[in-house]
Amino acid sequence: QKEVEQNSGPLSVPEGAIASLNCTYSDRGSQSFFWYRQYSGKSPELIMFIYSNGDKEDGRFTAQLNKASQYVSLLIRDSQPSDSATYLCAVWGNAGKSTFGDGTTLTVKP
Amino acid sequence: DVKVTQSSRYLVKRTGEKVFLECVQDMDHENMFWYRQDPGLGLRLIYFSYDVKMKEKGDIPEGYSVSREKKERFSLILESASTNQTSMYLCASSPGQGQPQHFGDGTRLSIL
Repeated sequence: QKEVEQNSGPLSVPEGAIASLNCTYSDRGSQSFFWYRQYSGKSPELIMFIYSNGDKEDGRFTAQLNKASQYVSLLIRDSQPSDSATYLCAVWGNAGKSTFGDGTTLTVKP
Repeated sequence: DVKVTQSSRYLVKRTGEKVFLECVQDMDHENMFWYRQDPGLGLRLIYFSYDVKMKEKGDIPEGYSVSREKKERFSLILESASTNQTSMYLCASSPGQGQPQHFGDGTRLSIL
């Protein structure tokens, strides 16, 4: 079992829809959770981080964390074509380092 | 804004060469990281450092070493480059443990 698993994708949504990206992790002692966006040929850029159970909203983005279920998600409301990218989930665990998922590729169709 | 600068965007080297990849951050971050990213394998941690002159092995350290003589600079060294080290190399820094990482633009390294 991978330490961090994401929807295999690719995920395609129409413009204006809600995109839902999911991530599960195996280390129950994990403390910090991150979502990065990576455009093709570019490096990852941080879009959200969350440390506590519940929801955290930033503009069109909402991160949701459920430590009991070892699950973190990212919702993108009013999806735009510019949101088309690969989204990486990262988890900071007890080993003192971040582990990244393989990513989910999102395409938003106009 | 945090600036993480990698010395080269593209680099071509020969097998057996000793290769140096340099990374500099300008935000006085404690932690620095080196990753490689390959299609189908995701982002994998090679080495990281929590402080000057400190280093820790990541998930795939074989064939690599690192140097952190100054807080702002973290160097990745390929001791004897091999073709299976052809990859995109990404450097990142963070203020402290468990905090968000900021990535450089990456170095696409080809070993011929």
